[in-house]
Amino acid sequence: KQEVTQIPAALSVPEGENLVLNCSFTDSAIYNLQWFRQDPGKGLTSLLLIQSSQREQTSGRLNASLDKSSGRSTLYIAASQPGDSATYLCAVRSRGGSNYKLTFGKGTLLTVNP
Amino acid sequence: AAGVIQSPRHLIKEKRETATLKCYPIPRHDTVYWYQQGPGQDPQFLISFYEKMQSDKGSIPDRFSAQQFSDYHSELNMSSLELGDSALYFCASSPGTSGYEQYFGPGTRLTVT
Repeated sequence: KQEVTQIPAALSVPEGENLVLNCSFTDSAIYNLQWFRQDPGKGLTSLLLIQSSQREQTSGRLNASLDKSSGRSTLYIAASQPGDSATYLCAVRSRGGSNYKLTFGKGTLLTVNP
Repeated sequence: AAGVIQSPRHLIKEKRETATLKCYPIPRHDTVYWYQQGPGQDPQFLISFYEKMQSDKGSIPDRFSAQQFSDYHSELNMSSLELGDSALYFCASSPGTSGYEQYFGPGTRLTVT
């Protein structure tokens, strides 16, 4: 059974800092990994999708890496801004068994202080 | 670009009532997924459909049922509602299965009183 863990559970940083969010998964047989942003009580905004054959993806100030063999992904946010404050969720789509669903981590609550 | 549409956006029901949530996938997307996110929880997979057939099933209670119609929209029917069913219900769609990205709708917030 795939399990996804995100560390830290919460992170508070001053504006302008670069930061890294971590995601680990137990089963390396995956199709892809997605990073999402969720504002309180709101929907899921997809930030980056990394296919299992890829090592990283970049979008603006965001960079996500994937090390499938070690079961790890990181989301790097450069020059953080108060508007980046949200919960960041990592989700994995596994190859084995139930291969339709995304398995989510519990998220990292990010607060960027002005 | 067109996104996944969910209706209603908010729904308030009493215990033991029924509720129907609707999902309209992105055009030309043939796969639909339903997720439930309880307060302070991560989203949990409920069920998915590919080409109008159930493709996968997760932790969906027997009180819930779902289907995908010929126009690819999907409906989640929930009966005998319980307080614990209060949650955000997300629908997602993708243009196929396996490695395709899942695009999420804005969610339906269900409150059971």
